[in-house]
Amino acid sequence: KNEVEQSPQNLTAQEGEFITINCSYSVGISALHWLQQHPGGGIVSLFMLSSGKKKHGRLIATINIQEKHSSLHITASHPRDSAVYICAVLSYNTDKLIFGTGTRLQVFP
Amino acid sequence: NAGVTQTPKFQVLKTGQSMTLQCAQDMNHEYMSWYRQDPGMGLRLIHYSVGAGITDQGEVPNGYNVSRSTTEDFPLRLLSAAPSQTSVYFCASSILNRGRIANTGELFFGEGSRLTVL
Repeated sequence: KNEVEQSPQNLTAQEGEFITINCSYSVGISALHWLQQHPGGGIVSLFMLSSGKKKHGRLIATINIQEKHSSLHITASHPRDSAVYICAVLSYNTDKLIFGTGTRLQVFP
Repeated sequence: NAGVTQTPKFQVLKTGQSMTLQCAQDMNHEYMSWYRQDPGMGLRLIHYSVGAGITDQGEVPNGYNVSRSTTEDFPLRLLSAAPSQTSVYFCASSILNRGRIANTGELFFGEGSRLTVL
């Protein structure tokens, strides 16, 4: 079993829909990152979380340390949100970053 | 600030050749790391470093060497390239504050290096 699991693997939405991507992990962590990668593009950091909730524009990220779970929400989705969203955790014991396999989101007009 | 600079962007090698992927950052980040990204798989950690003079192996270290002689630079060396090393490689850096719960900052990635080994 992977140490970081993301769901769903693929997600299709209509413009304006509310999107949720989930990330569960099985190791002790010191931080969790949400990343975005556009097709053929580089990787951009969206959030770094160690507790609670963060919001940037239409993006909201939450983390529940006790349940070892994080969610990324996109409100009022737009075609430009189409990308792969990646969850990564920093292992508290090893300082290693462990990545989920990503969620491919397509938002249609 | 330039952020994370990764070179080259593209490289074609023949089996058995050696090369070095360069990664440099100007943000005084302690944490630097190399990943490979293959179709259908997530990013996989090759090697990482938590400071100058300190390196450690990640998930897929075989066939790769690293060194960290300065805070700024973290080159990745392929000593004898193999077709299985055909991939896209990313370097990333962040701050790392040991001993604290919230001990990493934002991750900064290089633009990626597409390597093909024939």
